Amino acid sequence: ELKVEQNPLFLSMQEGKNYTIYCNYSTTSDRLYWYRQDPGKSLESLFVLLSNGAVKQEGRLMASLDTKARLSTLHITAAVHDLSATYFCAVDSGGTSYGKLTFGQGTILTVHP
Amino acid sequence: GAGVSQTPSNKVTEKGKYVELRCDPISGHTALYWYRQSLGQGPEFLIYFQGTGAADDSGLPNDRFFAVRPEGSVSTLKIQRTERGDSAVYLCASSLSIGSYNEQFFGPGTRLTVL
Repeated sequence: ELKVEQNPLFLSMQEGKNYTIYCNYSTTSDRLYWYRQDPGKSLESLFVLLSNGAVKQEGRLMASLDTKARLSTLHITAAVHDLSATYFCAVDSGGTSYGKLTFGQGTILTVHP
Repeated sequence: GAGVSQTPSNKVTEKGKYVELRCDPISGHTALYWYRQSLGQGPEFLIYFQGTGAADDSGLPNDRFFAVRPEGSVSTLKIQRTERGDSAVYLCASSLSIGSYNEQFFGPGTRLTVL
């Protein structure tokens, strides 16, 4: 059974600082997604990572995927308040179960002035 | 264009009642997914459809849960004899198809409360 673990689960940052959220998963997969969720809202797609070594960047966020280590990272550069949200990674089971996403527990990010 | 829509946005029901939750996917998307999100947790997979057929229903918790997509577009998630533990936000997502590129776009969710 595929398990996805994120850490940290809670992250309090000062504006302007850098930090990394980690996403580990337990079985082979080469498709990983990062989503953002604001309180009371649905999930917004941030990044789609489809191969080993994939790196995507959008603004102050950069995501990478290492399929051999079964690890993805979401790096935040010079955080700003607008980045405060919950961030989820999700791994596609692949094989005959393409499309079935298993989500991590989420990382609640709070950026302080 | 229009995103995934779900109705109702909120549903309050009593234990033992039957409920239906509706999802309207993005036009042209053939794959449709249902997830359930409990407070403070990540979404949990329930079922997904490719066209009209359920491709994988392994996440449905028991036989009280059933979903249909009769014409390959709108889907309805049906819950019989609701229990308090069914209270959660039910999220629907759609994607162009199931395959190597599978970005799922989520709707706003239906918050179900079972009293």
